[in-house]
Amino acid sequence: QVQLQESDPGLVKPSETLSLTCTVSGGSIRSYLWNWIRQSPGEGLEWIGYMQYSGSTNYNPSLKSRVTISEDASKNQFSLKLSSVAAADTAVYYCARSGWSGYVDFWGQGTLVTVSS
Amino acid sequence: SYVLTQPPSVSVAPGQTAKITCGRNNIGSKSVHWYQQKPGQAPVLVVHDDSDRPSGIPERFSGSNSGNTATLTISRVEAGDEADYYCQVWDSSSDHLYVFGTGTKVTVL
Repeated sequence: QVQLQESDPGLVKPSETLSLTCTVSGGSIRSYLWNWIRQSPGEGLEWIGYMQYSGSTNYNPSLKSRVTISEDASKNQFSLKLSSVAAADTAVYYCARSGWSGYVDFWGQGTLVTVSS
Repeated sequence: SYVLTQPPSVSVAPGQTAKITCGRNNIGSKSVHWYQQKPGQAPVLVVHDDSDRPSGIPERFSGSNSGNTATLTISRVEAGDEADYYCQVWDSSSDHLYVFGTGTKVTVL
């Protein structure tokens, strides 16, 4: 059974860079697609982007200018960096696995990131 | 923008049937997936590719997709089905690769 666990940055100041890491166990990041998805308090789900092993990435156009998703295959981890954050970026951030059928089959538990000074 | 429209809420009595719709022009040409999310928890996939159930999901959950509307049907509703439900499509022809619906709160009366 694949399990995903997000790191816990907690509080990030406005204009700074949000950094999150997802540790994958029970499967290798060398297969499948590895996503970041977020959910603002009381709101719906928003796809941020995904990476495929070997560096291929795809990002939500609305966030593309601020997002970088990268991998560390030696640690079986992948990471999210979101720059120039504002209060609107406060959300629960999920890491998740998907395949080429287009659906997410495994999710992390999610981590709340609050942007505040 | 790419929007999948769901009703904000659906109320249903135990034992009855709940239907949750997901609308977009010509959604029938896409594969639609459905997630259940309970408070404080990550979403769980309940239907993929319009009507397939992952292992462990009860047969009470079923899906259909045609024309401009996809539908998730929950038969013989139980108290434990109370949750938010989201539809989702993957549009490889668009920049918005993974698009989620607006979400529906299912309340069991």
